[in-house]
Amino acid sequence: KAGVTQTPRYLIKTRGQQVTLSCSPISGHRSVSWYQQTPGQGLQFLFEYFSETQRNKGNFPGRFSGRQFSNSRSEMNVSTLELGDSALYLCASGTGGPYGYTFGSGTRLTVV
Amino acid sequence: AQSVTQLDSQVPVFEEAPVELRCNYSSSVSVYLFWYVQYPNQGLQLLLKYLSGSTLVESINGFEAEFNKSQTSFHLRKPSVHISDTAEYFCAVSVETSGSRLTFGEGTQLTVNP
Repeated sequence: KAGVTQTPRYLIKTRGQQVTLSCSPISGHRSVSWYQQTPGQGLQFLFEYFSETQRNKGNFPGRFSGRQFSNSRSEMNVSTLELGDSALYLCASGTGGPYGYTFGSGTRLTVV
Repeated sequence: AQSVTQLDSQVPVFEEAPVELRCNYSSSVSVYLFWYVQYPNQGLQLLLKYLSGSTLVESINGFEAEFNKSQTSFHLRKPSVHISDTAEYFCAVSVETSGSRLTFGEGTQLTVNP
């Protein structure tokens, strides 16, 4: 079956702008999690959505938000972009338990 | 809260040599443990996981890891590495009450030299 699809793969934005990233999970998976990966901070959990509800949230400012649609697709939004938001954003898809998830290839966001 | 420590940030080895990537975790409750691998410009791929049962788990490409509860470790080993194993490896932990949330270690860059 198809894997986790993240779009776009690469994105360049200017400080102060906002951006929306998309994640389509594996068919049948109801949980989508988002992670930020940077050289300095490593892999950090942003939030998890399960059946359209945010179930878990990491320690990120309110500029980072997300949502999940009825077909389990998820979007992540970052408003008022800062240079430090430059990162690889990874989406992970799963059935909802703590049993290991399938990751997408990520969206590389560069803020200039 | 849980934490994961990967004891080596970089591990250089020669082809066909054995390798061990070390991972220790901290948690006050029972954990599930994972190793993920990341190749350049790609996402994370699940290499192997410990959920319950046998403490020794294996992957299809020759890696194995052993869950040691008393030492709170989950070291990754391979008896003979290939050039193609060059990648970054991440150890991660989750717990029953955290949903899908994974806590990752800092990563270990494995470089296999000819």
